[in-house]
Amino acid sequence: GESVGLHLPTLSVQEGDNSIINCAYSNSASDYFIWYKQESGKGPQFIIDIRSNMDKRQGQRVTVLLNKTVKHLSLQIAATQPGDSAVYFCAEISRGDYKLSFGAGTTVTVRA
Amino acid sequence: DGGITQSPKYLFRKEGQNVTLSCEQNLNHDAMYWYRQDPGQGLRLIYYSQIVNDFQKGDIAEGYSVSREKKESFPLTVTSAQKNPTAFYLCASSIWGETQYFGPGTRLLVL
Repeated sequence: GESVGLHLPTLSVQEGDNSIINCAYSNSASDYFIWYKQESGKGPQFIIDIRSNMDKRQGQRVTVLLNKTVKHLSLQIAATQPGDSAVYFCAEISRGDYKLSFGAGTTVTVRA
Repeated sequence: DGGITQSPKYLFRKEGQNVTLSCEQNLNHDAMYWYRQDPGQGLRLIYYSQIVNDFQKGDIAEGYSVSREKKESFPLTVTSAQKNPTAFYLCASSIWGETQYFGPGTRLLVL
């Protein structure tokens, strides 16, 4: 079946640097993409989303980029802080059935 | 204070016992969902409900049951048929086809 996955399971970042978390998807019917942050023992927290008719969307300290040609999604976090340490998931919603498909996640660790 | 609540935070199940996890939302969302998360894994869909009095099986529905009698509530029962119930259970709600918002989760442990 088609699925959403992340390129790297772990990412270590120096505090103050920018982080880039990548995600590849294979379902060309996906219409909507979401990034979530999950801290240990808590539920996923919505960060930012993007529709398939957009290439880029910015939030507070975060930017999501969508490259439909190569089916690639990325989350950029500016000036990474210790509170950004968490597991980050990308998820997609398929245009056909609107069910959310998750990748396994990337664990981001921020070094002081 | 709007959001999704789940209770209890921790739940212990004895052999052969059915247990029910609560999920309530006051976001006025039509759709609600239950996911299971195992250590180091992504989320897998158990059941979802697009609207009151309707629900559909997800990818791993065996050993689970749900009901959707009220818009605000979507309880999940883990039955004795679920042989490996130890996991972190997450409830979510959304406008259908839009971003899903998650509750804080219930951790189920087997005694």
